Amino acid sequence: ETGVTQTPRHLVMGMTNKKSLKCEQHLGHNAMYWYKQSAKKPLELMFVYSLEERVENNSVPSRFSPECPNSSHLFLHLHTLQPEDSALYLCASSGAKSTDTQYFGPGTRLTVL
Amino acid sequence: QKEVEQNSGPLSVPEGAIASLNCTYSDRGSQSFFWYRQYSGKSPELIMFIYSNGDKEDGRFTAQLNKASQYVSLLIRDSQPSDSATYLCAVNGGGSTLGRLYFGRGTQLTVWP
Repeated sequence: ETGVTQTPRHLVMGMTNKKSLKCEQHLGHNAMYWYKQSAKKPLELMFVYSLEERVENNSVPSRFSPECPNSSHLFLHLHTLQPEDSALYLCASSGAKSTDTQYFGPGTRLTVL
Repeated sequence: QKEVEQNSGPLSVPEGAIASLNCTYSDRGSQSFFWYRQYSGKSPELIMFIYSNGDKEDGRFTAQLNKASQYVSLLIRDSQPSDSATYLCAVNGGGSTLGRLYFGRGTQLTVWP
């Protein structure tokens, strides 16, 4: 595997389910990000991790819970979601400098019924 | 609130023409600027980045940056139908130490044969 991978690629869940999204980066980066992309809206940053420490939580509801066990892996745990949470969830990674490029994974298309 | 503004389009050009995509940003402290291309249903992929005022060329793509005017653009020469996609402008937040990026809504480009 190369670059940034995400699983699953598609997920359909009910409002009472609990599921997790997984992201893995093979680029030797030490910063990882979760973004949400809804139709007709800009990419929204959700969480930032640097060296496995959460450094930004962009006012995201508590039904989204991130986890970063090491610098290569990032999870987004989902519970009690709402239909408006249906979106494309993108993971990205980068080096730690502010000028470093972020590289995106393929995304997970989430549908909440 | 740091803002990144793009013309939403759609922008439609014939094959072989020059496509010009524009972006303005509000944060004067921003230091790095990125253009991503996103095909429908796919994740963003990096096209170019630019840090210094002036032009930067890479093949058929030229990025232009004018920090005084807070303006960045992307020119695509000899446009091809395969260039049809949404182009996202991203700007790093001034003073950020972790590459906090702000994205525009994207400009949808269609290149017709």
